[in-house]
Amino acid sequence: EIVLTQSPAILSLSPGERATLSCRAGQSVSNYLAWYQQKPGQAPRLLIYDATKRATGIPARFSGSGSGTDFTLTISSLEPEDFAVYYCQQRSNWPFTFGPGTKVDIK
Amino acid sequence: EVQLVESGGGLIQPGGSLRLSCAASGFAVSRNYMSWVRQAPGKGLEWVSLIYSTEYGGSTYYTDSVKGRFTISRDNSKNTLYLQMDSLRAEDTAVYYCATALSSGWTLDYWGQGTLLTVSS
Repeated sequence: EIVLTQSPAILSLSPGERATLSCRAGQSVSNYLAWYQQKPGQAPRLLIYDATKRATGIPARFSGSGSGTDFTLTISSLEPEDFAVYYCQQRSNWPFTFGPGTKVDIK
Repeated sequence: EVQLVESGGGLIQPGGSLRLSCAASGFAVSRNYMSWVRQAPGKGLEWVSLIYSTEYGGSTYYTDSVKGRFTISRDNSKNTLYLQMDSLRAEDTAVYYCATALSSGWTLDYWGQGTLLTVSS
């Protein structure tokens, strides 16, 4: 099983600041890496797939980078609605796995 | 409009069985890759099972912790995905989400609202 590690566990920032979230895989997942946002009581929402592609309807302030084992989700300028938990997920090898999440909260 | 609506969750005793349903609209479950993902209370996400489309052979996959106990299936005539869960354990307690990949390669881009399963005596 491919283990995904996310850092930091909690990121405390103010609206307007830049957020940089990291996801590291225990072995190469090529570019088969996605990022999801989840708010309390809601289903996850796909933000980025195949490491760098924005999903339909996702604002341009969200961007993804990386390949192999190291990936980054960047939110260029935090909006109030961006405070949530973010998960990375790999689909390179079954079982497909999620990282433990990074909570972005308001400083 | 694409919609996924799960049902069938509830309170069940350890060792019991339950079947979750996911009614789809706006697309055909037979032609798309469908999955079940769960989230235990206050915890992260776990991919439980997936089924490929008929075009891709309909293969099924399960995470190790549910292998031999859970069965994913679909009824094309009802456009519905199922998860039959047997020999339930306390650690199966979670919100179960149905999800599919329609326009983002093989990545889950449409999700239902989830249904809560509680396994407890």
